[in-house]
Amino acid sequence: NAGVTQTPKFRILKIGQSMTLQCTQDMNHNYMYWYRQDPGMGLKLIYYSVGAGITDKGEVPNGYNVSRSTTEDFPLRLELAAPSQTSVYFCASSYSEGWAFFGQGTRLTVV
Amino acid sequence: GENVEQHPSTLSVQEGDSAVIKCTYSDSASNYFPWYKQELGKGPQLIIDIRSNVGEKKDQRIAVTLNKTAKHFSLHITETQPEDSAVYFCAAPRSNDYKLSFGAGTTVTVRA
Repeated sequence: NAGVTQTPKFRILKIGQSMTLQCTQDMNHNYMYWYRQDPGMGLKLIYYSVGAGITDKGEVPNGYNVSRSTTEDFPLRLELAAPSQTSVYFCASSYSEGWAFFGQGTRLTVV
Repeated sequence: GENVEQHPSTLSVQEGDSAVIKCTYSDSASNYFPWYKQELGKGPQLIIDIRSNVGEKKDQRIAVTLNKTAKHFSLHITETQPEDSAVYFCAAPRSNDYKLSFGAGTTVTVRA
């Protein structure tokens, strides 16, 4: 049972490039989330989904997009990378609201 | 929305001593308070949670207490061990959409 799997683990992007952070879960959870973690700032919610085909904005959605075509997958898209998007990104899933299983994270640096 | 404040930001304790982390929240409608532990290079992991209908919950060496009147809750780690060294986050749900708001985290270092 893999839980929540994120790829890649590390990535360096140049300003203006785009990329997709992949997230998949094998627990059949309806709820999935994307957070970013900056030093001393805790976790901020970027986007979330309550089921396939349904997504909504969190606290810090600007510069990102998501899709949820299946229950298992919830990719996060960065279209025009900016230095402010340098962060550690965590995907999470849960079967109900309030708590979550987290992936191992993706460390992204934009230069 | 929910505002969660966590103190202290860093905590260094001698092995065997106790560690206490405190969090305050702003939304009186919040009814669920989880604690996460994040080890270096890993994602946060749920270690204990408490619901608003109880005042205390224990699980071996960790316990969480909740004071709904004062709107604060605390994590207590007793008989600390080196493997307790990590960053700990508290969280509380936002009443408008039930998504978790996280504290800024506490870096706990257990000295051998």
